[in-house]
Amino acid sequence: SAVISQKPSRDICQRGTSLTIQCQVDSQVTMMFWYRQQPGQSLTLIATANQGSEATYESGFVIDKFPISRPNLTFSTLTVSNMSPEDSSIYLCSVAGRVEAFFGQGTRLTVV
Amino acid sequence: GDSVTQMEGPVTLSEEAFLTINCTYTATGYPSLFWYVQYPGEGLQLLLKATKADDKGSNKGFEATYRKETTSFHLEKGSVQVSDSAVYFCALTPRGNQGGKLIFGQGTELSVKP
Repeated sequence: SAVISQKPSRDICQRGTSLTIQCQVDSQVTMMFWYRQQPGQSLTLIATANQGSEATYESGFVIDKFPISRPNLTFSTLTVSNMSPEDSSIYLCSVAGRVEAFFGQGTRLTVV
Repeated sequence: GDSVTQMEGPVTLSEEAFLTINCTYTATGYPSLFWYVQYPGEGLQLLLKATKADDKGSNKGFEATYRKETTSFHLEKGSVQVSDSAVYFCALTPRGNQGGKLIFGQGTELSVKP
């Protein structure tokens, strides 16, 4: 198993600003994943972050809007840039176990 | 592409009632199937899983059987408790994808009343 810590747990931000979310894992992992959970909706994968290479983004998500860093095997950040109210969501960090995935508690973002 | 469809909520039950949350999937090959649970104010937790056809996953009184013929993975519990109130997500990973990318259903909110 893996223990994942995410910061901040919640934030309220002004539109047009950016927020960086941090994800720390208690063990070294090759891949980390970032998901978005919009209000009342399911989780959608934003991107996969590999250490030492560019993140791989899913359809509908772009690096300019969601830049990701992966400086080492236990840490990653996701930035939500130039925010609008439509970015209000829960953002979750995840790592893969042998079969299942483990998740952080999420960052609840409200853009006003 | 691969997808997961689960019954819409919210579902409201009385304590000790029987629970079924339907989940069907579309995928190429043989995906691994999961139920995740999100308790109020907490992160997603794995509830149970099944990695091949006819497997039954079980945990905390919940069960789900991987039915390839009906492409389903319905969640059941014989007697729910108030503490089971949460949002339940059905999910899959494509075959060979070791727990990495998950495709989720829309989630079903369960509320159990005393």
